[in-house]
Amino acid sequence: EDQVTQSPEALRLQEGESSSLNCSYTVSGLRGLFWYRQDPGKGPEFLFTLYSAGEEKEKERLKATLTKKESFLHITAPKPEDSATYLCAVQARWTSGSRLTFGEGTQLTVNP
Amino acid sequence: DSGVTQTPKHLITATGQRVTLRCSPRSGDLSVYWYQQSLDQGLQFLIQYYNGEERAKGNILERFSAQQFPDLHSELNLSSLELGDSALYFCASSVGALRQSTDTQYFGPGTRLTVL
Repeated sequence: EDQVTQSPEALRLQEGESSSLNCSYTVSGLRGLFWYRQDPGKGPEFLFTLYSAGEEKEKERLKATLTKKESFLHITAPKPEDSATYLCAVQARWTSGSRLTFGEGTQLTVNP
Repeated sequence: DSGVTQTPKHLITATGQRVTLRCSPRSGDLSVYWYQQSLDQGLQFLIQYYNGEERAKGNILERFSAQQFPDLHSELNLSSLELGDSALYFCASSVGALRQSTDTQYFGPGTRLTVL
């Protein structure tokens, strides 16, 4: 069974204080690892897809990296508008369909 | 705006009732997915349709059913509702790529269901 574990559950940062969020996964053949951002009461917003170990992707202050067992979302010099829950999900290669298995998320708060 | 639309935004109903949630996918997307998000369980996959046919099933209760119509919109029917069914229900859509390729899902704004 595919599993995704995210840590920490919650993270408080001061504006400009860089940090990383962790996503550990076990999956029967990784087809893709996804990062989403979710604001309260809203739908998840797609950020990145990573396909294979060693891959990195960047978007503004966010950078996602992937190893064979983990993914990290690095946040550089965060701003208050980066406050949200960040979700990690995996898509497995050898299952029917294209379901995503999500972690519980990391709730990020950036204080001004 | 992801391009995925869901109606209604909010739904309040009583135990034992039946409701229908509606989803329109992004233009060009053939796959539709339904997820449930409750406070204690995170986002859980329910079911996927591809071009009108069921493709994958997750932890969907027998009281729940879904379908995808020829115009590709989808409906999720929830019946004999219980208090524990209160949750956010999200629809997502994707192109519907072949199995070997990743298939990015774009989520709608959700329907908040409250069962009293």
